[in-house]
Amino acid sequence: DVKVTQSSRYLVKRTGEKVFLECVQDMDHENMFWYRQDPGLGLRLIYFSYDVKMKEKGDIPEGYSVSREKKERFSLILESASTNQTSMYLCASRHRVDTGELFFGEGSRLTVL
Amino acid sequence: GNSVTQMEGPVTLSEEAFLTINCTYTATGYPSLFWYVQYPGEGLQLLLKATKADDKGSNKGFEATYRKETTSFHLEKGSVQVSDSAVYFCALPDTGRRALTFGSGTRLQVQP
Repeated sequence: DVKVTQSSRYLVKRTGEKVFLECVQDMDHENMFWYRQDPGLGLRLIYFSYDVKMKEKGDIPEGYSVSREKKERFSLILESASTNQTSMYLCASRHRVDTGELFFGEGSRLTVL
Repeated sequence: GNSVTQMEGPVTLSEEAFLTINCTYTATGYPSLFWYVQYPGEGLQLLLKATKADDKGSNKGFEATYRKETTSFHLEKGSVQVSDSAVYFCALPDTGRRALTFGSGTRLQVQP
């Protein structure tokens, strides 16, 4: 089975702190994604990566950056956390030639005080 | 761009009731369509999918038919169980086929 692991299930940070959310997948997938989930808004794409060191902005990239130095790992970075970034963050991966199915991690719930 | 609209929740049903969660889409061409489910405290997992018009996806007693005439992909189950309580998301590839675009989610609560 595909395993997507997010390093932290729950985080509490203060405004202005730098936050790292880590995601690792074990199926050699080329594509990896970061989504944000908020009630009533569904999932919104922040960034995705189609290969190592390759990234592309999603629909809501402002305030975020990403890093993909190794194929299995995709990190989401909040350079200076703000209270409006309090949310559930979901990482996903997909094989490049698949029909589109994404495999998700369990999510990281971030609270910014 | 491609988008999906699904019915708002929560949907509250008694055990063994019939379930329908509506999903309509706007898309260029005929992309694959998906239903994902999120159980409490977990990430999303694929429930079913359909890759072309008139296809029916099915899994765990759930079904959805890809209907291009009505641009719909409604999720149905004949007899829900308490364990089906979750949030259900309809999804399709975004316009550039980069990622999936999701609906806002429909929370289902099944009471014993």
